[in-house]
Amino acid sequence: GAVVSQHPSWVICKSGTSVKIECRSLDFQATTMFWYRQFPKQSLMLMATSNEGSKATYEQGVEKDKFLINHASLTLSTLTVTSAHPEDSSFYICSARHSGRAPGELFFGEGSRLTVL
Amino acid sequence: AQTVTQSQPEMSVQEAETVTLSCTYDTSESNYYLFWYKQPPSRQMILVIRQEAYKQQNATENRFSVNFQKAAKSFSLKISDSQLGDTAMYFCAFMNPFQGAQKLVFGQGTRLTINP
Repeated sequence: GAVVSQHPSWVICKSGTSVKIECRSLDFQATTMFWYRQFPKQSLMLMATSNEGSKATYEQGVEKDKFLINHASLTLSTLTVTSAHPEDSSFYICSARHSGRAPGELFFGEGSRLTVL
Repeated sequence: AQTVTQSQPEMSVQEAETVTLSCTYDTSESNYYLFWYKQPPSRQMILVIRQEAYKQQNATENRFSVNFQKAAKSFSLKISDSQLGDTAMYFCAFMNPFQGAQKLVFGQGTRLTINP
């Protein structure tokens, strides 16, 4: 149990377009999900905390108008990269908190690689 | 703010050997959680081991164990009898359970390669 799935795994888009990435908890309800960005051979940088039914909490330096997060249900959070530019190319990873598990035991999606041409 | 430092960007050992990955952290909190997460080449991160700061006993999960030195703020991971499947990026992480969203703060990661 406790599976998190991201879609799409890979996406290539043209500069100026918007891209939506989905994060789903398949077998549990997740009131809180997290979105990270990971550059090659680097650590995960937390972008925002996504809370079901309320606005996301963004980390300092993350543009909320650029990275729109919606957590409309207990099993789905979406990250939309608006007006994407080549510098937005990165690996985006989500994780979900399972209320039935110990604190800090997050379940991660497979990640989504975004390439902006 | 809490910080987590992994000073070994890459490590490589032979299969069946024991390897230790180091991690230090900085916090003013007295109660917190520490974790080691593994990110295999397939990319999906999974939890390897967890340690509660209030527990003096070092956590152990099969071939994985930690050496938690609270005073020194050190949290190393030992992998015994290493296997090819242990090849991955390993991230040390810190969490303050009393901070709202219980966010994880990750270290820079250590790329571990197990050679046949």
